[in-house]
Amino acid sequence: QVQLVQSGAEVKKPGASVKVSCKTSGYTFTISDINWVRQATGQGLEWMGYINPNTGKTNHIQRLQGRITMTMDTSISTAYMELNSLTSEDTAEYYCVRGRWNSYGMDVWGQGTTVTV
Amino acid sequence: QSVLTQPPSVSAAPGQKVTISCSGSSSNIGNNYVSWYQQFPGSVPKLLIYQNDKRPSQIPDRFSGSKSDTSATLAITGLQTGDEADYYCGAWDRSLNVGLFGGGTKVTVL
Repeated sequence: QVQLVQSGAEVKKPGASVKVSCKTSGYTFTISDINWVRQATGQGLEWMGYINPNTGKTNHIQRLQGRITMTMDTSISTAYMELNSLTSEDTAEYYCVRGRWNSYGMDVWGQGTTVTV
Repeated sequence: QSVLTQPPSVSAAPGQKVTISCSGSSSNIGNNYVSWYQQFPGSVPKLLIYQNDKRPSQIPDRFSGSKSDTSATLAITGLQTGDEADYYCGAWDRSLNVGLFGGGTKVTVL
């Protein structure tokens, strides 16, 4: 079955960086985008960006410009999201999600990674 | 303030029907597919509806989606206590060139 397994919880100091991994299995890694979504405690979902594993193309929300980097290693079917210059406002649950908005939606979610700043 | 607007909460008795609205604009809902997600407290969100009105195979037909112009609606019929959760709509915005989620709606079964 399709699975997305994320790396473990992180505790960081303000100004530091965090890198979250998302290992996929059960499907061909390059056929679907990997999105990153975060959720602060008690708040709603925020789409952060995506990477297309076939082309390497990325896109992200403007307010994370200069702080977010999304990469991938197709040899191990794994995507990564790195966020720099962390502040307390980045404290949240981070999810990697397979899917495309104008296709079959965000159809498979990772288990989440708690990042505490 | 989310670009996609949902009511904060809706409620109904067991067995009844609830509808959740998601209002957007021509740059998102009006010209792109809408999807819906269910999230129980402390759990990972789950896809309920994609391409406005399609259900993944494991989702019961009590859940249905529709879209008209720049708004979308999720309907839950035969409401059960196990349906108590937060529900989010989502769509791509072609002007902002980003994905969007609504603010979420909490469903309460009375």
